[in-house]
Amino acid sequence: AQSVAQPEDQVNVAEGNPLTVKCTYSVSGNPYLFWYVQYPNRGLQFLLKYITGDNLVKGSYGFEAEFNKSQTSFHLKKPSALVSDSALYFCAVRGLVTGGFKTIFGAGTRLFVKA
Amino acid sequence: SQTIHQWPATLVQPVGSPLSLECTVEGTSNPNLYWYRQAAGRGLQLLFYSVGIGQISSEVPQNLSASRPQDRQFILSSKKLLLSDSGFYLCAWNRAEIRAGELFFGEGSRLTVL
Repeated sequence: AQSVAQPEDQVNVAEGNPLTVKCTYSVSGNPYLFWYVQYPNRGLQFLLKYITGDNLVKGSYGFEAEFNKSQTSFHLKKPSALVSDSALYFCAVRGLVTGGFKTIFGAGTRLFVKA
Repeated sequence: SQTIHQWPATLVQPVGSPLSLECTVEGTSNPNLYWYRQAAGRGLQLLFYSVGIGQISSEVPQNLSASRPQDRQFILSSKKLLLSDSGFYLCAWNRAEIRAGELFFGEGSRLTVL
């Protein structure tokens, strides 16, 4: 069975500091991994995805994520956080299960960036 | 470009009343369509998905049902709402022909059952 874990409910960083939001996954076969962001009372927005190839994936708004197969992780990173990055972040994995491809989301990590 | 519309944005309904949430996608054809529920601003629970007109798969047993009467229209319904149906409902789509396709979400419908 496929699953996604986001071990931190909340991450606090100061503006200008680097940020990391952690994600680990479990899936049969090659994983397709995603990060989404949600602002209050809005739908989720796609940030980036890993399919194959380079382990470092670059996405929207200066975010990037590093795929680590041995650690089954896909952590989201940004070199310099902005106050406007404060939001709820979801990691997701898309894999082949009975009935077809399904996308499973983690529980979400709330990021607070302090000025 | 593709867009997804979801309505109503906010809904307050009494227990036992019916429900209809609508979602339409524009600018694409034969999308996969999904209904998710988000409780207490956290994790997403997949409720239904559809790969074509009239084809609905349910992920969890519940008081809700879904229908896809047209290629780009997805409707979430209930005959009698329960208090536990309150939540933030999100419609999403992705391209059926792309295995690793990301999901595109609507703006959500917040349902409060009193």
